[in-house]
Amino acid sequence: EADIYQTPRYLVIGTGKKITLECSQTMGHDKMYWYQQDPGMELHLIHYSYGVNSTEKGDLSSESTVSRIRTEHFPLTLESARPSHTSQYLCASSDARLAGGGDTQYFGPGTRLTVL
Amino acid sequence: AQSVTQPDIHITVSEGASLELRCNYSYGATPYLFWYVQSPGQGLQLLLKYFSGDTLVQGIKGFEAEFKRSQSSFNLRKPSVHWSDAAEYFCAVGAVAGANNLFFGTGTRLTVIP
Repeated sequence: EADIYQTPRYLVIGTGKKITLECSQTMGHDKMYWYQQDPGMELHLIHYSYGVNSTEKGDLSSESTVSRIRTEHFPLTLESARPSHTSQYLCASSDARLAGGGDTQYFGPGTRLTVL
Repeated sequence: AQSVTQPDIHITVSEGASLELRCNYSYGATPYLFWYVQSPGQGLQLLLKYFSGDTLVQGIKGFEAEFKRSQSSFNLRKPSVHWSDAAEYFCAVGAVAGANNLFFGTGTRLTVIP
């Protein structure tokens, strides 16, 4: 059973505010990911990290930024929230060292962000 | 580039009936294939995965999926659906180990009627 946590679960905030979405995992996984999910749409990767001090942008352009100072922690920050940022944000992690290869990703419960 | 198509946006089945959710993928090499389930307000839970070997894979909650290379498909099945199976189901494809991420389909919403 995967142990990956996201806070807050729900956030309603006004335009222009700075926000940080938290993601933590207790499995010691090297890889972590942030996906954005809109209703009826597929998940889109916005950021990922191979390990500490590693961050990369994903397929979907995003105004958010991430950091990876500790293995277990991968926060996502929006410096100035806008209504277009309203979405569900899902964090995931994986351990590529597992036998058999492949990246089985384990997901957190998500943060539903609404920007007014 | 990888891509996944789930042709059915919404499926309704009666409780106890069999279920098949379709998934077609596009990828140049042997893919890693996954099915995830998402209940309302929740994250994604892994149902099963295919990396290699036996093309019929068993997952949790009584689900199974069959990889058919000739059809580029990885359909999810369950012989008898329970009301608690109502959820959104996502098929995903990943490249070989070390790749960046998974590519997801748009999902199939399953409704179960009594």
